[in-house]
Amino acid sequence: GESVGLHLPTLSVQEGDNSIINCAYSNSASDYFIWYKQESGKGPQFIIDIRSNMDKRQGQRVTVLLNKTVKHLSLQIAATQPGDSAVYFCAETPNNYGQNFVFGPGTRLSVLP
Amino acid sequence: NAGVTQTPKFRVLKTGQSMTLLCAQDMNHEYMYWYRQDPGMGLRLIHYSVGEGTTAKGEVPDGYNVSRLKKQNFLLGLESAAPSQTSVYFCASSYSGRIQETQYFGPGTRLLVL
Repeated sequence: GESVGLHLPTLSVQEGDNSIINCAYSNSASDYFIWYKQESGKGPQFIIDIRSNMDKRQGQRVTVLLNKTVKHLSLQIAATQPGDSAVYFCAETPNNYGQNFVFGPGTRLSVLP
Repeated sequence: NAGVTQTPKFRVLKTGQSMTLLCAQDMNHEYMYWYRQDPGMGLRLIHYSVGEGTTAKGEVPDGYNVSRLKKQNFLLGLESAAPSQTSVYFCASSYSGRIQETQYFGPGTRLLVL
């Protein structure tokens, strides 16, 4: 399997419970944030994004919360399912260009039956 | 519609050998990117391209070269591989360079340099 994520923090949740995955960012000028999901052996997949002028954004079973005061981003997954098992990481950028994203190392989510 | 594909999926090289990683996309995207992903670290941008015939350096370009002769293909070359280049390499593409344009990633190439 992939060697990615050997040293990643792990979050284990029971199937059906809600999951909260956290991300701290360092650049107070960051203006745009994305959460990605990366399943084993696959490339990252866009989940949801949020601009710095928002505190909260909801998608299908996912919610992203942004706290600019403490430079903290969280991803909430409702009713976690086995298919949610993956590495989740955030990305931030201070400007409008896709080549300037800074990616976090991620958190491994394991869903227990 | 295959999206973003990468060739090969896995490769073992000896120090000093060269190789080329191929990325292809069928979405008519202008922007293409090469990232590397190392254990415990986030993705880091190696090189990117804003269109056919153009390339630019990213955060960690040393030891790599790229070419974008055709819009749909983005090649990453290692002229003289080093153990520090052992990593998983991901290619991505997006319609434009605007941050709101989703970057679509390929499945990755796992490279081991001995």
